[in-house]
Amino acid sequence: AQKITQTQPGMFVQEKEAVTLDCTYDTSDQSYGLFWYKQPSSGEMIFLIYQGSYDEQNATEGRYSLNFQKARKSANLVISASQLGDSAMYFCAMREGPSNDYKLSFGAGTTVTVRA
Amino acid sequence: NAGVTQTPKFQVLKTGQSMTLQCAQDMNHEYMSWYRQDPGMGLRLIHYSVGAGITDQGEVPNGYNVSRSTTEDFPLRLLSAAPSQTSVYFCASSYRQGTNQPQHFGDGTRLSIL
Repeated sequence: AQKITQTQPGMFVQEKEAVTLDCTYDTSDQSYGLFWYKQPSSGEMIFLIYQGSYDEQNATEGRYSLNFQKARKSANLVISASQLGDSAMYFCAMREGPSNDYKLSFGAGTTVTVRA
Repeated sequence: NAGVTQTPKFQVLKTGQSMTLQCAQDMNHEYMSWYRQDPGMGLRLIHYSVGAGITDQGEVPNGYNVSRSTTEDFPLRLLSAAPSQTSVYFCASSYRQGTNQPQHFGDGTRLSIL
């Protein structure tokens, strides 16, 4: 079964607007971590934001915030005030606990294109 | 601040050839992983290591070997290259303990098998 599901292959957003990228996950672990990575066209993987399964507050990092709904097993990324440089592929990932050897599983990714 | 260094950045091989993709990290991370990235499939785990002398298989290990003789290095070997192994390969590292540890990635190796 897929551990991470990203249902939006591609999205367009107008510059200065906000965009939400969907991510749902599946795990039986109580302790896990959720991560978002950005991959620009140059190809490198850039870590953006982290949410722990026990965190009560939604994570925020600058213009990035994570809408964490534990009961629904979703961890959506919100990018506010989009910039042209935000055009990239975005990956949701989950790191499970010791029973899974702390392995990191990725979704298929969402391509975001920011329009001027 | 080198982080995770992968070499080479690009490589073209013929079917049946062998080669080693190099990965080195200077952050004293125990945990290292190899992923392959194919269009529409995200990153898939090939092999990983939780420390020197310890390796294990990930989701797609067939056709690849790894070894971990030092904390710093984690090479990936293609034994007999096949066109299905055409992909972008990423090496990553992190501290082992804790689900809150982000993995740090190298810049990737783009591999084409003809």
